[in-house]
Amino acid sequence: AQSVTQLGSHVSVSEGALVLLRCNYSSSVPPYLFWYVQYPNQGLQLLLKYTTGATLVKGINGFEAEFKKSETSFHLTKPSAHMSDAAEYFCAVSSSGGYQKVTFGTGTKLQVIP
Amino acid sequence: DTGVSQNPRHKITKRGQNVTFRCDPISEHNRLYWYRQTLGQGPEFLTYFQNEAQLEKSRLLSDRFSAERPKGSFSTLEIQRTEQGDSAMYLCASSMTEGNEKLFFGSGTQLSVL
Repeated sequence: AQSVTQLGSHVSVSEGALVLLRCNYSSSVPPYLFWYVQYPNQGLQLLLKYTTGATLVKGINGFEAEFKKSETSFHLTKPSAHMSDAAEYFCAVSSSGGYQKVTFGTGTKLQVIP
Repeated sequence: DTGVSQNPRHKITKRGQNVTFRCDPISEHNRLYWYRQTLGQGPEFLTYFQNEAQLEKSRLLSDRFSAERPKGSFSTLEIQRTEQGDSAMYLCASSMTEGNEKLFFGSGTQLSVL
């Protein structure tokens, strides 16, 4: 069984400030972890993913996330928020090996204040 | 590569009617997934195909829901005898068998049941 918990359904940051979106996961086997972004009226698109190897992964648009096994976390960060970052962000988990069904969290809506 | 295509974008129907949605995945992708997303929630897994084989459908919400992928290319999701609670965004995604951890999503079909 696998699940994802995203802390905070809404996060507001000022333009230029640090973005931190929190994600904790539960998985009975080594996980694959993802962050997806959804802009209004658009489909989800992959920001970044962790499968194996380096625990700090870099994605598109300056985002990065760190896999911390001891904390079962995969928080998403960006040093400086831009207005165009306003969107909904979903953390997701799937199981490594075999058939991988992706389970999504409930999402965090990011607001960027000018 | 035109991405994952879903039709229609919007569907309004009366309670009790049947509806069918279509998904055209990226052509070289073997795997196809259906998800449902309601307001304020993350995508909820419904079913999954590898080529024409439906490998998991236990998550389909009730026996009113069915999905097909007859030739291993496009897929259809049918909801019979629609209910107001079926109102949601229905998302389709596809992926390669290898490196399947990256899902490519369509823009979804928004269903409104009156």
